[in-house]
Amino acid sequence: GQNIDQPTEMTATEGAIVQINCTYQTSGFNGLFWYQQHAGEAPTFLSYNVLDGLEEKGRFSSFLSRSKGYSYLLLKELQMKDSASYLCAVNDYKLSFGAGTTVTVRA
Amino acid sequence: GAGVSQSPSNKVTEKGKDVELRCDPISGHTALYWYRQSLGQGLEFLIYFQGNSAPDKSGLPSDRFSAERTGGSVSTLTIQRTQQEDSAVYLCASSADQETQYFGPGTRLLVL
Repeated sequence: GQNIDQPTEMTATEGAIVQINCTYQTSGFNGLFWYQQHAGEAPTFLSYNVLDGLEEKGRFSSFLSRSKGYSYLLLKELQMKDSASYLCAVNDYKLSFGAGTTVTVRA
Repeated sequence: GAGVSQSPSNKVTEKGKDVELRCDPISGHTALYWYRQSLGQGLEFLIYFQGNSAPDKSGLPSDRFSAERTGGSVSTLTIQRTQQEDSAVYLCASSADQETQYFGPGTRLLVL
């Protein structure tokens, strides 16, 4: 079976940094995605990690450790528009999603 | 097209009626996926198409659910004899390489 865990909610202040952790135990693994989903909208692609290590893309970075079954998404210099749900998904040609982490950015 | 499109964007139906949901993938994407997102829950895989064939239908919740894809492009998800528990957002995604999946805006289905 697939087991993907991430925190339900996180709150941070504008300009701060937030790290969203994701742990997984899955039967197959080709890589790990992070998607952003604003309320009432479709998920949009943020990052994809296949190999261990840190991938940096502007204000967002994603890290993967395959041996530990662990990933995190790091959001830097938080802006109000970053308030959204962040979805961790394991790719085994089909995606298995965690329940999502709702991030609230306060002024 | 520029992105994945889905229709209708919203659908309200009565319990027991059949509904059809349509997905137009990004042009040239051979892989197409259907997911369901129920209120307050994560996305749940339903079915995967590679071309016109569906090698994985394992996520379809019951035999009331079926899907087809024609011409390696448009896909239709059909729910027969809808039940209230079918109320959810149905999301379609497509991909060129079985890796990055791009999602459509979804169809919000409400079964009364």
